[in-house]
Amino acid sequence: QKEVEQDPGPLSVPEGAIVSLNCTYSNSAFQYFMWYRQYSRKGPELLMYTYSSGNKEDGRFTAQVDKSSKYISLFIRDSQPSDSATYLCAMKEAGSYQLTFGKGTKLSVIP
Amino acid sequence: DVKVTQSSRYLVKRTGEKVFLECVQDMDHENMFWYRQDPGLGLRLIYFSYDVKMKEKGDIPEGYSVSREKKERFSLILESASTNQTSMYLCASSSDRGLTDTQYFGPGTRLTVL
Repeated sequence: QKEVEQDPGPLSVPEGAIVSLNCTYSNSAFQYFMWYRQYSRKGPELLMYTYSSGNKEDGRFTAQVDKSSKYISLFIRDSQPSDSATYLCAMKEAGSYQLTFGKGTKLSVIP
Repeated sequence: DVKVTQSSRYLVKRTGEKVFLECVQDMDHENMFWYRQDPGLGLRLIYFSYDVKMKEKGDIPEGYSVSREKKERFSLILESASTNQTSMYLCASSSDRGLTDTQYFGPGTRLTVL
């Protein structure tokens, strides 16, 4: 069983749609959860960071963590063509240096 | 803003060559990482360093070595490049200070080994 599962997509939505991206994980020791956005031929950039369970909102982006279900989500409201990218979830145990990444979901927002 | 830079965006080398990939960060971060990213395989950790002259193997260290002589600089070395090392190489750094110990990535080096 892989530690982090993420649907690779591709996911194609019309401009203005609400997008939901998800990851599931098996390691209950994960406490730090991140979403990275990666544009084509660029390095990943940190989008959202959440510690433990709960929601975090930043503009059009909302990150949710449900540790009881071992499930994290990223919602994008009013999606824009500039949101077209690959979204990677990542998670980390307390005291560890290493991040465990999902394989990424490729999102296309069609004008 | 955190800035992580990598010495080359694109690199083409021949099989058997020794290859150096350089990474520099300007935020006084303690930790630095080297990943490779391949389609369908995602990001895989090659090596990381939590202090100057310290290094730890990641998930796929075979065929690679690293050097960290200064805090801001972390080098990845392919002693004898092979075609299966053709990949996107990403460097990242993180800090031990504060609550946010997330990793910040450089732009990547796309290496092709012929």
